[in-house]
Amino acid sequence: DAKTTQPPSMDCAEGRAANLPCNHSTISGNEYVYWYRQIHSQGPQYIIHGLKNNETNEMASLIITEDRKSSTLILPHATLRDTAVYYCIVRVGNGGFKTIFGAGTRLFVKA
Amino acid sequence: NAGVTQTPKFQVLKTGQSMTLQCAQDMNHNSMYWYRQDPGMGLRLIYYSASEGTTDKGEVPNGYNVSRLNKREFSLRLESAAPSQTSVYFCASSELVSTDTQYFGPGTRLTVL
Repeated sequence: DAKTTQPPSMDCAEGRAANLPCNHSTISGNEYVYWYRQIHSQGPQYIIHGLKNNETNEMASLIITEDRKSSTLILPHATLRDTAVYYCIVRVGNGGFKTIFGAGTRLFVKA
Repeated sequence: NAGVTQTPKFQVLKTGQSMTLQCAQDMNHNSMYWYRQDPGMGLRLIYYSASEGTTDKGEVPNGYNVSRLNKREFSLRLESAAPSQTSVYFCASSELVSTDTQYFGPGTRLTVL
């Protein structure tokens, strides 16, 4: 499975868009990109996932580059409650299983 | 609909003691997982169960055993606890083991003295 690289921390002003990058240069054609977040000491929470196309849901948008070697999670209007550790993960989509959570990006949303 | 529940929330053990962490889900999911998270680290997969009646090792299975009791319940057992097993343990479930999203429980904070 592909490994991912994320910046260790980022800041964002409340109300602004938070753009969290992730590199996954060794991603395979059948590997999905998933994003989760972990607020304080709670269990991780699913945010969004995608394979090739950009995706949007009520929480966030996911932009995947055409070569699929990187992606960006966008929180359009960050709030203080979005302060959390964000994990970018790639998973095999056709059976077999191995989810690897790296250290993630610690996002600080400031008032 | 409680989602994924874990018991206990906190536990302190002495080295060599045994205990079982319980996990249950009420979403009728086929797949269940156990992770551990050490301070400042990401989650590491211990064991998973793709479906009722099957279990497989994850990244860090040594020192643990699991039981998929039925479709709802997946337990994690420490036979002889060691200080290196001090961690936060998360259980998760998903509809399928392939591409589906995982839903996590609140975690069990275990300290081994």
